[in-house]
Amino acid sequence: KAGVTQTPRYLIKTRGQQVTLSCSPISGHRSVSWYQQTPGQGLQFLFEYFSETQRNKGNFPGRFSGRQFSNSRSEMNVSTLELGDSALYLCASSLAIAGGSNEQFFGPGTRLTVL
Amino acid sequence: AQKITQTQPGMFVQEKEAVTLDCTYDTSDQSYGLFWYKQPSSGEMIFLIYQGSYDEQNATEGRYSLNFQKARKSANLVISASQLGDSAMYFCAMSSFSGSARQLTFGSGTQLTVLP
Repeated sequence: KAGVTQTPRYLIKTRGQQVTLSCSPISGHRSVSWYQQTPGQGLQFLFEYFSETQRNKGNFPGRFSGRQFSNSRSEMNVSTLELGDSALYLCASSLAIAGGSNEQFFGPGTRLTVL
Repeated sequence: AQKITQTQPGMFVQEKEAVTLDCTYDTSDQSYGLFWYKQPSSGEMIFLIYQGSYDEQNATEGRYSLNFQKARKSANLVISASQLGDSAMYFCAMSSFSGSARQLTFGSGTQLTVLP
């Protein structure tokens, strides 16, 4: 079974631009979560999607948004990029079965650099 | 709110020795899950082991075991017979089952270096 895939793997943008990152979950997984990892703040939860609905959102400004499609693939968008948005963005998928372990499987990440 | 604390920024261990990575947590939830992930320099997070709050037995997965002490709110990872390939950042994480959302709260991580 294929793992979680993320595209692109590396991205360089300039301040003020916007960016869209993509995540394809493991087949059969309906939950997709996004995390931001920076040296200063560590790993922080951005949001989680389940069946095309955002179920939870972390403490990030409205410039960070996402969506999920009917095939469970998810995209994350960051508008008006700032230097502080430079980070590794990780996507994780899970079965999200009630009472289950909620085990999340991560993709390789997209490393975003904002100049 | 949930909080994960990893007090060891860096650890060194000799190859073939066992090592314990510390993790303490804080939560008001009655039902929760505890996870350990490994992150090599490539960046991908690799799932290692899971422990549910109601599991009475400590979880084990090959060379990994989780020393779960609920009363002390600790979930230490024990790696037996360390290998050079174990050198990586290790993160302890927690999820709550109290809601329908699935999100992980991570600790700050421990950088493990295995010495030959």
